[in-house]
Amino acid sequence: GAGVSQSPSNKVTEKGKDVELRCDPISGHTALYWYRQSLGQGLEFLIYFQGNSAPDKSGLPSDRFSAERTGGSVSTLTIQRTQQEDSAVYLCASSHPGQGSYEQYFGPGTRLTVT
Amino acid sequence: AQSVTQLDSQVPVFEEAPVELRCNYSSSVSVYLFWYVQYPNQGLQLLLKYLSGSTLVKGINGFEAEFNKSQTSFHLRKPSVHISDTAEYFCAVRNTGFQKLVFGTGTRLLVSP
Repeated sequence: GAGVSQSPSNKVTEKGKDVELRCDPISGHTALYWYRQSLGQGLEFLIYFQGNSAPDKSGLPSDRFSAERTGGSVSTLTIQRTQQEDSAVYLCASSHPGQGSYEQYFGPGTRLTVT
Repeated sequence: AQSVTQLDSQVPVFEEAPVELRCNYSSSVSVYLFWYVQYPNQGLQLLLKYLSGSTLVKGINGFEAEFNKSQTSFHLRKPSVHISDTAEYFCAVRNTGFQKLVFGTGTRLLVSP
């Protein structure tokens, strides 16, 4: 079946602009995660959604970052007033904890470049 | 806070030689442990995981890892590497009560002929 998909694959934006990154999880997966991969910080957790529960936002680096998940499926990560340090690859993952697999399936990522 | 240490940023090895990629973690509670591989311009793919039970875990592509609780280690091994194993390898840990993964900084495995 289809894996996790993310769009766009690449995004170049000017400093100060807002960007939206999209993630389509695997069908039926109730948990969705966003991570950021950058040269200076490695792979960092950003936010986690599980079903209808309140999301775990503990990894969001600033209030310029927000995310939502509509209908328990597609998620959008929004970065407002982008800064150069936001340049990174943003990875989305999904899992189905109910099946006890504990495995997070990752998408190919969105490479964000802030100029 | 949890942390994962991958001391080797890069490991060069010749084809068909054995390799060990080291991973140590810090946690005072029960954990789940994972190794992921990332090929160029691709997302992360799970190689193997330790949840409980046998401390020797076998994964895809001939990789295996051993969980050592006393040394808080989860080293990845392969007895004979191929050129196609050239990639970045990430060790990750998760507390049993939480969902987020904490990753190490990664080890780049470079296999040459």
